[in-house]
Amino acid sequence: QVQLQESGPGLVKPSETLSLTCTVSGGSISSYYWSWIRQPPGKGLEWIGYIYYSGSTNYNPSLKSRVTISVDTSKNQFSLKLSSVTAADTAVYYCARDWVDYDILTGYHYYYMDVWGKGTTVTVSS
Amino acid sequence: DIQMTQSPSSVSASVGDRVTITCQASQGISSWLAWYQQKPGKAPKLLIYAASSLQSGVPSRFSGSGSGTDFTLTISSLQPEDFATYYCQQANSFPTFGQGTRLEIK
Repeated sequence: QVQLQESGPGLVKPSETLSLTCTVSGGSISSYYWSWIRQPPGKGLEWIGYIYYSGSTNYNPSLKSRVTISVDTSKNQFSLKLSSVTAADTAVYYCARDWVDYDILTGYHYYYMDVWGKGTTVTVSS
Repeated sequence: DIQMTQSPSSVSASVGDRVTITCQASQGISSWLAWYQQKPGKAPKLLIYAASSLQSGVPSRFSGSGSGTDFTLTISSLQPEDFATYYCQQANSFPTFGQGTRLEIK
């Protein structure tokens, strides 16, 4: 079955850019949407953004100015970059596959995260 | 953005109990809602989608209901492995989660 694995530095300095990669194994990255979600220590879940395998993206408005999500279909990977980080960006970062539902009456899509990576802890500290 | 509010924030129960967790959306979301289970140190797991559809492999003691702004997750007979934190999530193009409900052993 499909498995996701996050990778990247566990420690990032304030004001620098956090960079993470999610590698998809056991299936193709094509034809799916893929999300990044984070969870600060002891707190709840925050959706960061998603990317379609074709490259179209959508970001959390509160993070939009600092977030870039990209995809490399040849490597079956997608990536997250978060710029100008502060201590508030310290969190466990998860990648996930989105299962997308579609309302034929409105034309809107709806997004559920059905496969998750194990998560990677990123600490922002000097 | 749509705010999701869960109640209670924590609940204590015993094995075999029936437990209900509620989730309220700040505006109507039809049935576009999911429930997740998260155990300490682990990633969340999708339990329910579209408010009441059981994800493949999830035990039938889990059920979801509701539409519009008010939703519930019910566990009909608690098992030891069900003690965890549960999150609701509205599924529109800017997904948001509830703050979580911690289910503890009494």
